[in-house]
Parts: sequence; structure tokens; C-alpha cells
Amino acid sequence: GAGVSQTPSNKVTEKGKYVELRCDPISGHTALYWYRQSLGQGPEFLIYFQGTGAADDSGLPNDRFFAVRPEGSVSTLKIQRTERGDSAMYLCASSSGRVGYNEQFFGPGTRLTVL
Amino acid sequence: GQQVMQIPQYQHVQEGEDFTTYCNSSTTLSNIQWYKQRPGGHPVFLIQLVKSGEVKKQKRLTFQFGEAKKNSSLHITATQTTDVGTYFCAGHASGGSYIPTFGRGTSLIVHP
Repeated sequence: GAGVSQTPSNKVTEKGKYVELRCDPISGHTALYWYRQSLGQGPEFLIYFQGTGAADDSGLPNDRFFAVRPEGSVSTLKIQRTERGDSAMYLCASSSGRVGYNEQFFGPGTRLTVL
Repeated sequence: GQQVMQIPQYQHVQEGEDFTTYCNSSTTLSNIQWYKQRPGGHPVFLIQLVKSGEVKKQKRLTFQFGEAKKNSSLHITATQTTDVGTYFCAGHASGGSYIPTFGRGTSLIVHP
């Protein structure tokens, strides 16, 4: 079956611009996670959704970052006034069942480059 | 906050040699998960350990969870070039947030 998909695969933008990154989880998965991964580092948690609501957004670095999941499936990560330090791979993952105890299925990621 | 540390950061081995990566947490973990990320790829789930002292095997891979549930290891016997990638552990603290914290990973380079 289809796995987690993310679009775009690459996004190049200029400092100060607004970007949206999309994640399509595995059908039926209620939990959705966003991570940011820099070169040589592990995935860094940003936000977690259970259904439509953000159950934990403690990893969002500041108020320029926002994410939604209005219908409990597709999610969009939104970054306002992008900065060069936002450049990274943004990974989305989904899982079923009990959060923290179930396998996370990762998407291929969106590589964001802020010039 | 919770920290998960992995050593070594990099490991070069000759094909056929064994490899071990270690994961240590500053707090007691409810469980530990291991993921593999191939170069240019995304993390893929390998296994989950939940019980104190648990040992699980997958072919040439052996995973252990420490008695105190604060450390874990992954051992690969007789490495192959297909084992190349970065291995991450991820765990969440007992009684804390259920969101797993990932370690920095150990990158395995296998020389043929």
C-alpha cells in the first residue's frame, strides 16, 4: 500500500518568505508527527497530532512555525518569515495506536533551503 | 529535558567485521526503538524493546535493552555492504511525554 508522502521534495526560498510543506500520512493512521533533521543529527521533534488536534507542539522553535491537520489526515507545516537557520530536511511520520509505542512510518521528507 | 546519546558517531568497518552502537539515556525509558536511515533516505523502523533486559534478534542484528532501561545496544554480526546507513535509537521517558527523543545516530561505513 501507499506509504507516507510529502510534497514538495525540495523547496528553495528566499529569506523572509512564507512556505508550506505538505504531508499525506498512511490512510487510517491517527497519529502524525513533524520532525526537522539537520545534517549529522537525528530527527528533532516539532509537533504531534492525534486526529485533528495538535496534542503536543512543544518542539516548535518559535511562533513562525505552525501546523494544521484540519480533517485528521493531510497535514501542512507552515513557516513564516523564513530564516537561513530554517534550512533542513523536514520529515513527517505517521503511526497507528498508542503514541510512543508504535512504529513510526516516515515520509521521504522535504528538503528546505533558505537563501 | 530528556537526552538520548549515541556512540560512536561514526564507525568504519571492513566487510565481515562486527559492529556495535550504544544508546544511553539521562532518564529511565518506557521503551526504546531503533531505526535505520540509508544515505539519502528516510528513517525506517527496525524494532522496539519494552522490557528490562530484553534481547531481540533479527538475523545478524541483536538488540538489547539494559536492566535499568537507561541504555540499549545494537550489534551487527559479520557486516555486509547492505548494512551501510545511520542507526538511530529513540525513546521516551517513563512518566513523561510520549514523544520519542531520537539520538544523534551512528553512521556505519562498510568497506568491501
